Amino acid sequence: KAGVTQTPRYLIKTRGQQVTLSCSPISGHRSVSWYQQTPGQGLQFLFEYFSETQRNKGNFPGRFSGRQFSNSRSEMNVSTLELGDSALYLCASSSLGQSFDTQYFGPGTRLTVL
Amino acid sequence: AQSVAQPEDQVNVAEGNPLTVKCTYSVSGNPYLFWYVQYPNRGLQFLLKYITGDNLVKGSYGFEAEFNKSQTSFHLKKPSALVSDSALYFCAVRDMNSGGYQKVTFGTGTKLQVIP
Repeated sequence: KAGVTQTPRYLIKTRGQQVTLSCSPISGHRSVSWYQQTPGQGLQFLFEYFSETQRNKGNFPGRFSGRQFSNSRSEMNVSTLELGDSALYLCASSSLGQSFDTQYFGPGTRLTVL
Repeated sequence: AQSVAQPEDQVNVAEGNPLTVKCTYSVSGNPYLFWYVQYPNRGLQFLLKYITGDNLVKGSYGFEAEFNKSQTSFHLKKPSALVSDSALYFCAVRDMNSGGYQKVTFGTGTKLQVIP
């Protein structure tokens, strides 16, 4: 089975712009979670989607949003980019998103905001 | 609320020696515990998890972890370290009573350096 894929792998944007990141989960997985990873804050949970519905959300401002499509692919959007949004954004999928399910991570999208 | 602590930012060990990466957790109910490894510029790779049952869990690449409920710990171990084990290791916890939803809390990570 193919693993979790994320596109693009690298992005450079300027402050005020918006960006959309894409994640394709492992085939058959219906839960997709997003994380932000920075040296200072570590791994921070953004949100989780299951069957096109957001089930859980972390403590991020409304500039961070996401969605999931009927084929379980997910996108996250960050509007009005700030310098502090520079990070590695990781997507993880699991079969049903239950507490004991293992999450499988993609390689991440490295976002740099100038 | 759930939390996890990795008290060591970095662990250095000589190649061939046993290694331990420490993790302690706090949950209101029973925990689900996970270990992941991250190589530079890569995503996280799953190593092992504790759900229930035997307190000693065996995982990928020769790693194992011991669940200790009384000490609320889930330390990662390997009998003989390899240089290729050098990476960033994350412990993660999910509260069994979190409503079945995928909200995971990760530790801050421990950098493992295996010295040849």
